Amino acid sequence: RKEVEQDPGPFNVPEGATVAFNCTYSNSASQSFFWYRQDCRKEPKLLMSVYSSGNEDGRFTAQLNRASQYISLLIRDSKLSDSATYLCVATKFGSQGNLIFGKGTKLSVKP
Amino acid sequence: EPEVTQTPSHQVTQMGQEVILRCVPISNHLYFYWYRQILGQKVEFLVSFYNNEISEKSEIFDDQFSVERPDGSNFTLKIRSTKLEDSAMYFCASNLGGPETQYFGPGTRLLVL
Repeated sequence: RKEVEQDPGPFNVPEGATVAFNCTYSNSASQSFFWYRQDCRKEPKLLMSVYSSGNEDGRFTAQLNRASQYISLLIRDSKLSDSATYLCVATKFGSQGNLIFGKGTKLSVKP
Repeated sequence: EPEVTQTPSHQVTQMGQEVILRCVPISNHLYFYWYRQILGQKVEFLVSFYNNEISEKSEIFDDQFSVERPDGSNFTLKIRSTKLEDSAMYFCASNLGGPETQYFGPGTRLLVL
């Protein structure tokens, strides 16, 4: 079983739509969780960390359910510039910070 | 804003040749990492480096790979005898440590022919 699994998409949505991405992780010892964004042929960039209490950053909301080993990202009022691949990322408890990436979910926002 | 830099941006090499990929991490960061991403696949951890030694490595990081911090600024990844399957984008990252945010460089695209 893959350590971090995501729906690969693509998600094709109109501007202004709300879109939700899901992610599951297999290792219950996973410690920290993040959403990264990756534009085509570019490096991953941190979008936001994910906390058990849920957290929001502008139009973006991330949630973590440790019991279900499930992470989500909600994007409201999507913009053309949100088009990218969204990477669900975990770290293992006790690791030196090595990041475990999901394969990513591709989002395309259309005018 | 400080950033991680990598050189070269692209490298083409023949199978069996040695390559050295270079990275300059953010200056006050203490932990350095290499990841790779084969085209169309996920980003994979290779190695982490702290206090001038490897702190963790993945199964991918076999004897063909080595890392070095030759001076106070550079962090290098060497592949001794490249294989076709080493063709990938190689990303360097750095952070202050552990769970802190990792900042990625723009990557070196390696093509092995």
